[in-house]
This record gives sequence, structure tokens and C-alpha cells, in this order.
Amino acid sequence: GAVVSQHPSRVICKSGTSVKIECRSLDFQATTMFWYRQFPKQSLMLMATSNEGSKATYEQGVEKDKFLINHASLTLSTLTVTSAHPEDSSFYICSANPAGGLTYEQYFGPGTRLTVT
Amino acid sequence: SQQGEEDPQALSIQEGENATMNCSYKTSINNLQWYRQNSGRGLVHLILIRSNEREKHSGRLRVTLDTSKKSSSLLITASRAADTASYFCGASGSRLTFGEGTQLTVNP
Repeated sequence: GAVVSQHPSRVICKSGTSVKIECRSLDFQATTMFWYRQFPKQSLMLMATSNEGSKATYEQGVEKDKFLINHASLTLSTLTVTSAHPEDSSFYICSANPAGGLTYEQYFGPGTRLTVT
Repeated sequence: SQQGEEDPQALSIQEGENATMNCSYKTSINNLQWYRQNSGRGLVHLILIRSNEREKHSGRLRVTLDTSKKSSSLLITASRAADTASYFCGASGSRLTFGEGTQLTVNP
């Protein structure tokens, strides 16, 4: 149980275009989902926390107009990278906190590799 | 910074040897978790130790926690080539904060 999927696993896009990444909890409902960014050989940096039905909370330094997060249902959150630039190329990982679960309980997706050319 | 520190950053050992990784964190925590990440993959949860625990075992894994020093260690005994991965600690307080990670290479 507690499986989180991400789609796509890899995406290549041209500079200036937008890319949407989906994060789904497959066998549980998630009131809270988290989006992380990871550069090569570095740790995960929390970008934002999204709660179902409300606006996402962004970490300091993360542009909310550039990284649009929508958590429209208890099993789906999306991250849209708008007007992507090469410096947005990174590994994006989501995690989900089960509804009624402990606050520290997070299940991670397999990640999405974004390359902006 | 939301990041803690881990050392060593990279560790290379022979199969059968033990691997020890250390993690320090900065905030008060409820628990600390260790994760494994294979290259280009998501995180796999390995073990959780609560703030009132000092040591925990799970199979070949042994975790210690010293809240007075805000540090934790992960010991992998009798390592295997399949243990090759990056290992991260996640300090869980008001949020989950990850250390920098240790890249472990186990040579056959």
C-alpha cells in the first residue's frame, strides 16, 4: 500500500513552454502533498506544500507564479512549470501525507526528470 | 537553511564491510527518518526513530539518535553491492528537512 505515482517520469521541453507534472496517491487519500526539487548530487529542497482544496504554501525563494500547484482532489496534485528555462531543469519529486495519518508520514513518488532545452 | 549535514558525502567500501553514515540537524524534532535513493529514483523509507528513542534496529540497519547533539547515525552491516545508493536523513519537526546525503558505493 501507500503508493505514489508521478507522470511523466521524464520530460524534455523547449525554453518558454510550460510543463505539467502530476502526482497521484494510488491507494490512499492525501490531504497534503509536498513538492521537492533536487539538483544532481544534492539533497531535496522543499518547494511547496499543497493542501486539498486550498492554495499551496510556497517556501521562501520559490516563485509561486512560476511553479503553479493545484491540489484539486484527495488523490491528485499537479505542478506546472510555466515559461520554463534551462535553469528549471531538475528532478522534481512529490510526496503525499495520508488523510488522518501522522504529520511526518510521507510517501514519495518516483520523481520526474525535467530537461529544458 | 533548511538543510542539515551528513557525512561523509561519499563512502566507498567493499562488499561485506559495514557502512556508517552520520547526519546532523538543526531544529527540534519529533522523529528522524532515513531514506534511500537509487540514482534517478524517488526516496524509499528505511527506518524511523522517535525523539525519545536512542537506538533502533531493522534487519541489517542500525540507527542511533542523540538529541542532545542533534545527530543520528545509520549503520548498514554486511553491505552488499545492491546497497549502492544515496542515503538521506529526514529530520521531522514542524516539517521534514533533509540532510545533504551520503553517496554509498559498495564494490563487489
